[in-house]
Amino acid sequence: DSGVTQTPKHLITATGQRVTLRCSPRSGDLSVYWYQQSLDQGLQFLIQYYNGEERAKGNILERFSAQQFPDLHSELNLSSLELGDSALYFCASSATSGGARRELFFGEGSRLTVL
Amino acid sequence: AQKITQTQPGMFVQEKEAVTLDCTYDTSDQSYGLFWYKQPSSGEMIFLIYQGSYDEQNATEGRYSLNFQKARKSANLVISASQLGDSAMYFCAMRQFSGTYKYIFGTGTRLKVLA
Repeated sequence: DSGVTQTPKHLITATGQRVTLRCSPRSGDLSVYWYQQSLDQGLQFLIQYYNGEERAKGNILERFSAQQFPDLHSELNLSSLELGDSALYFCASSATSGGARRELFFGEGSRLTVL
Repeated sequence: AQKITQTQPGMFVQEKEAVTLDCTYDTSDQSYGLFWYKQPSSGEMIFLIYQGSYDEQNATEGRYSLNFQKARKSANLVISASQLGDSAMYFCAMRQFSGTYKYIFGTGTRLKVLA
């Protein structure tokens, strides 16, 4: 158990719809990262938050948005969904102090299927 | 531009034998971190091993070792005494700091361990 919680684990929806994916980082971790993994592909970085503020943006579509709340949980909103948005969406958190390693701890992912 | 390259899309190894998964990286930074993650068919991302750019010794974690050749910018993962449970996707990743910590991933290598 990484300590990172993602909900829902599975989600099936139709094109044009909107969904919200939720992530709770490990206790004490201030940074949250969102990644998208399409079928048999690598991980594409979407966006990063640190203590409520957006810190870095990757290949995130305009139809997607995210935020991190004061309690440090984060939500990724995906709207006007298309078939190509079907993917495994990962949230990860990392320690903000103590040690050089700072590995990413991943949640189990939210598998989105758009029909 | 920072990049991680994994040139082996798929590999086979006989049970109990050792296998090396290749990873090369491109960066102009002096300080960075290198990681390997395992993704079994269930989908979760499992941290395996870390190597810091200033670490002089190769990292080891149980049956995993990282063959770090800084001048060649390679960070190959060596799995000794392969087990059937090692069958999975393996991702190499690099962490850099550019205003914030950023993590980029390679495209992965799918390893199949044969009985």
